Amino acid sequence: AQKVTQAQTEISVVEKEDVTLDCVYETRDTTYYLFWYKQPPSGELVFLIRRNSFDEQNEISGRYSWNFQKSTSSFNFTITASQVVDSAVYFCALADNQGGKLIFGQGTELSVKP
Amino acid sequence: EPEVTQTPSHQVTQMGQEVILRCVPISNHLYFYWYRQILGQKVEFLVSFYNNEISEKSEIFDDQFSVERPDGSNFTLKIRSTKLEDSAMYFCASSEARQSVYGYTFGSGTRLTVV
Repeated sequence: AQKVTQAQTEISVVEKEDVTLDCVYETRDTTYYLFWYKQPPSGELVFLIRRNSFDEQNEISGRYSWNFQKSTSSFNFTITASQVVDSAVYFCALADNQGGKLIFGQGTELSVKP
Repeated sequence: EPEVTQTPSHQVTQMGQEVILRCVPISNHLYFYWYRQILGQKVEFLVSFYNNEISEKSEIFDDQFSVERPDGSNFTLKIRSTKLEDSAMYFCASSEARQSVYGYTFGSGTRLTVV
């Protein structure tokens, strides 16, 4: 069965701290895609990154970075020098290779305090 | 940048009433999805739609739910007789390809409140 686990339900940090959000996935597919989405208090889902299973290079985009490790089935997300505007719920998701649907983790609620 | 448009943004309905949630996917996308998010919980897949038929549906998508692409641009989710537990945010999404090579575009959601 395919599954995404985000073990951290809530994280609270003070502005300018670095924070890592964990994501562990399970799949039998050899080709798959992983995603991170941000859900701010307004409720919409904001796409952050898509990574395919063949590309294990870490990615950096400004203060955001992602660490993909197939050996541990993890796709962790780090925010460097967090800001209050980073406060949101963050979802990790796995795309099902058969039907294309996204399987979401439970989400991690990040609270960045000034 | 192309967008997926959902209407209405918020709908309040009485238990037992029928509701139709509307979505306009991106015009050259071929795969369409509905997801549901009960307040404070994770986003759950409901149904995928391709070539004018359902390609996959979850256990949540029972006989009370139906989807339709009535005119080649709109993609609708109908709940026949709403229950209190149908209160949730409903997201529509579309993609160009099944295997998500090009990713998914989500609408901003419809918050359904059943009273």
